[in-house]
Amino acid sequence: AQTVTQSQPEMSVQEAETVTLSCTYDTSESDYYLFWYKQPPSRQMILVIRQEAYKQQNATENRFSVNFQKAAKSFSLKISDSQLGDAAMYFCAYDRDDKIIFGKGTRLHILP
Amino acid sequence: DTEVTQTPKHLVMGMTNKKSLKCEQHMGHRAMYWYKQKAKKPPELMFVYSYEKLSINESVPSRFSPECPNSSLLNLHLHALQPEDSALYLCASSQDAALPWGGASGSSGANVLTFGAGSRLTVL
Repeated sequence: AQTVTQSQPEMSVQEAETVTLSCTYDTSESDYYLFWYKQPPSRQMILVIRQEAYKQQNATENRFSVNFQKAAKSFSLKISDSQLGDAAMYFCAYDRDDKIIFGKGTRLHILP
Repeated sequence: DTEVTQTPKHLVMGMTNKKSLKCEQHMGHRAMYWYKQKAKKPPELMFVYSYEKLSINESVPSRFSPECPNSSLLNLHLHALQPEDSALYLCASSQDAALPWGGASGSSGANVLTFGAGSRLTVL
């Protein structure tokens, strides 16, 4: 069965610095999708970035980028130039054959 | 502004009450979902409504019942809830279906979910 593991329950980063959130997953499939969702306190969950497993190029969205290591089944999220608005719970998610699995989340604190 | 609208934002109910949570989307998405989220936990999928079919997580108690009046609305009816049902209930939609219990919908994957702001439910 597929699993998604986020090993860092909480992290802190100084404003304007760079932080990396880790995510590993377990699957026997070769074609799937990976996502990072962000859930700010008392606000709705939104998509941050997504990666298609068959694409070798790492996805980027402005200050957000991923390091996708397919062989290692690793999908980390890098946030550059951290801003106070980046403070949130971040969930890594796996999607294959319409089966979405979320990790337990990492709470990110931004220190002013 | 959210494109998935949930009402009410907060609901307090007794264990004998009957209430409903409402969810509406105007993006033309063909799939809608209800998730339950406890504090500091990931969302847990409860129901999926897609292509006029309802898929149910078998672990969800019958005191929760979904209703889909049309393709843009997905309500969640609540009856005889327990205090442990207190949680944030999230509605989401996607262009195609995501069925976590198997059974391909025929979509190509990458079911990006658009979430509502949630309905915070407290059962006394």
